[in-house]
Amino acid sequence: QKEVEQNSGPLSVPEGAIASLNCTYSDRGSQSFFWYRQYSGKSPELIMFIYSNGDKEDGRFTAQLNKASQYVSLLIRDSQPSDSATYLCAVNPGNTPLVFGKGTRLSVIA
Amino acid sequence: DAGVIQSPRHEVTEMGQEVTLRCKPISGHDYLFWYRQTMMRGLELLIYFNNNVPIDDSGMPEDRFSAKMPNASFSTLKIQPSEPRDSAVYFCASSFGNEQFFGPGTRLTVL
Repeated sequence: QKEVEQNSGPLSVPEGAIASLNCTYSDRGSQSFFWYRQYSGKSPELIMFIYSNGDKEDGRFTAQLNKASQYVSLLIRDSQPSDSATYLCAVNPGNTPLVFGKGTRLSVIA
Repeated sequence: DAGVIQSPRHEVTEMGQEVTLRCKPISGHDYLFWYRQTMMRGLELLIYFNNNVPIDDSGMPEDRFSAKMPNASFSTLKIQPSEPRDSAVYFCASSFGNEQFFGPGTRLTVL
């Protein structure tokens, strides 16, 4: 059973702080990793993807991947109240569809 | 492109009725996915198609659920008969490669 685990939260951070969202996965052969943001009542929206070990930065977002530890994270710098949402980690284990975690709910307090 | 289009956006029906959800994927995408999302179970993959062919329907909960993709621009998910436990948000997503793009979803309520 291919699994993706996330802490359900809520994770509460003050405005302007760094929010750190974490995800672990079970399939060591996984090749690509995605972060989706889902606002309440809306559909998941792709915000980041990462394929190689290390960091990938896009604006205030940084995705970090450590394949040896089977760990992927998303850092949000200078968190804003508009970042309050559920963040879904998704993993591509190979020739099968993405496996999604249940998501971490982030609350940024003004 | 308008993105993935789903209809209806909301559906309220009574137990035992047939429900048909519709999806138009992004043009040029060769994969189409149907998901169901609930608070308890999160996002569950029901079935997916590649080039209009169903590849894996192991996530379809029961024989009451069926899905078709008659052409590259249209897919349906049908529930017959519907039950209250089918109440959820149903998402359609499409992809070309690894990145999936989701439609706005259909919120289904079965009374």
